[in-house]
Amino acid sequence: AQKVTQAQTEISVVEKEDVTLDCVYETRDTTYYLFWYKQPPSGELVFLIRRNSFDEQNEISGRYSWNFQKSTSSFNFTITASQVVDSAVYFCALSSGSARQLTFGSGTQLTVLP
Amino acid sequence: GAGVSQTPSNKVTEKGKYVELRCDPISGHTALYWYRQSLGQGPEFLIYFQGTGAADDSGLPNDRFFAVRPEGSVSTLKIQRTERGDSAVYLCASSLDRGRNEQFFGPGTRLTVL
Repeated sequence: AQKVTQAQTEISVVEKEDVTLDCVYETRDTTYYLFWYKQPPSGELVFLIRRNSFDEQNEISGRYSWNFQKSTSSFNFTITASQVVDSAVYFCALSSGSARQLTFGSGTQLTVLP
Repeated sequence: GAGVSQTPSNKVTEKGKYVELRCDPISGHTALYWYRQSLGQGPEFLIYFQGTGAADDSGLPNDRFFAVRPEGSVSTLKIQRTERGDSAVYLCASSLDRGRNEQFFGPGTRLTVL
């Protein structure tokens, strides 16, 4: 069975603060893929990143960075210098073994205040 | 280029009625997925198509739910004898089926069963 836990239901920060969204996953498969999606108030899920289980290198894209640690089964997402436009629900998701579908966490509602 | 489109954007129906929800994937994407998202939750997998065939329908909750993709492009999710508990946003996603590519989501259909 596969499972994704996003323990932070809601986070509120003031603009320009850094914020980290936590994601912990469970799977028995050795081959798996992890994803982050953003769901703004408009509702449409926007793909942010995909990592596979064999690549533990951290990644940075502009203000976004991801920390993948197999030892703790975590794939955390950090936004540096947050902006109001970052306000959204962020979902972590897992696809493992032969299953193609995504298993999503329950999401973290991020609110960035001006 | 055009993204995933879904129609209708909103559907209100009465308990016991039949509904059809349509998904038009990104051109060239052979994999198509249906998910259901309830308020405050992450999307939950329903069914996955590879071409015209349903490769995995393990997420369909019961036999009132059925989906088709007769020509390997557009897909229709069909719900018979709707119940109030079917109320949710139904999301469609498509992807290139090479490895574990990211899934691109449509805007969803909000189904309300009165």
